[in-house]
Amino acid sequence: KNEVEQSPQNLTAQEGEFITINCSYSVGISALHWLQQHPGGGIVSLFMLSSGKKKHGRLIATINIQEKHSSLHITASHPRDSAVYICAASLGGGADGLTFGKGTHLIIQP
Amino acid sequence: KAGVTQTPRYLIKTRGQQVTLSCSPISGHRSVSWYQQTPGQGLQFLFEYFSETQRNKGNFPGRFSGRQFSNSRSEMNVSTLELGDSALYLCASSSYSGGAQDTQYFGPGTRLTVL
Repeated sequence: KNEVEQSPQNLTAQEGEFITINCSYSVGISALHWLQQHPGGGIVSLFMLSSGKKKHGRLIATINIQEKHSSLHITASHPRDSAVYICAASLGGGADGLTFGKGTHLIIQP
Repeated sequence: KAGVTQTPRYLIKTRGQQVTLSCSPISGHRSVSWYQQTPGQGLQFLFEYFSETQRNKGNFPGRFSGRQFSNSRSEMNVSTLELGDSALYLCASSSYSGGAQDTQYFGPGTRLTVL
C-alpha cells in the first residue's frame, strides 16, 4: 500500500519568500501530481510529473524517483499563493486511482 | 471549452436516504474519477470510469456506486446515507486513457451534508 506524506502541514511566510513543500511516498509510482485547493474547494492541477523537473511561472516541481521524493517550490511568493497544496501519487501498472497526501496549508502574509 | 461541471453544488439529506450526484466532464474527455474529501480523512479515491466501464475502485463500501453514460457523463450514488458520508464529493476528468496517470481536471464539487 502506498503512503504519501507531506511536510510541513502548515506554513506561514512573508511575501517574497522562497517556499518549499515536500512530498514523499513509500512505493514506486508512475506519476506524481501537485494540486492547489483554494478556500471553497476548487482544485486545480499544477503539475503532473514522472521524472525530473517542471516549471510554470513562479512554480517549480521536482521529483527524485530513487529517493521517492518530490518538492514543490514557489519563488517570489505572493498572498494570492495562499492555498492548500496537495501531492498525489499514481501507482500505474494499469488503471488506478490517486493516493493523496494530507496537504500543506500555506499562508503568505503581505 | 467548458470545464467540469457537477450538480447539485449543495445537498442536504437525512440518514438512511440515498443520493445521486452528477458530473459532466470536459468535452472529449472519456475518463471520469470520483473523490471524497473530509476534514478527517482528506481526499480519497472512490472510483474511475472510462468508456462506460468502471476501471478501478477505492476502498469504500458497496453503498457507494457509480456509472458512466455513452456521452461520458457520470453519476455516483450513495445509498443508506450515514452521518460520516458528509463530505465534499469531487469529480475529475482526463483526456487520455491513463486515468490517474494523466492531468486531472477537477469540478467544483458537491457538498453533501447528512443530518
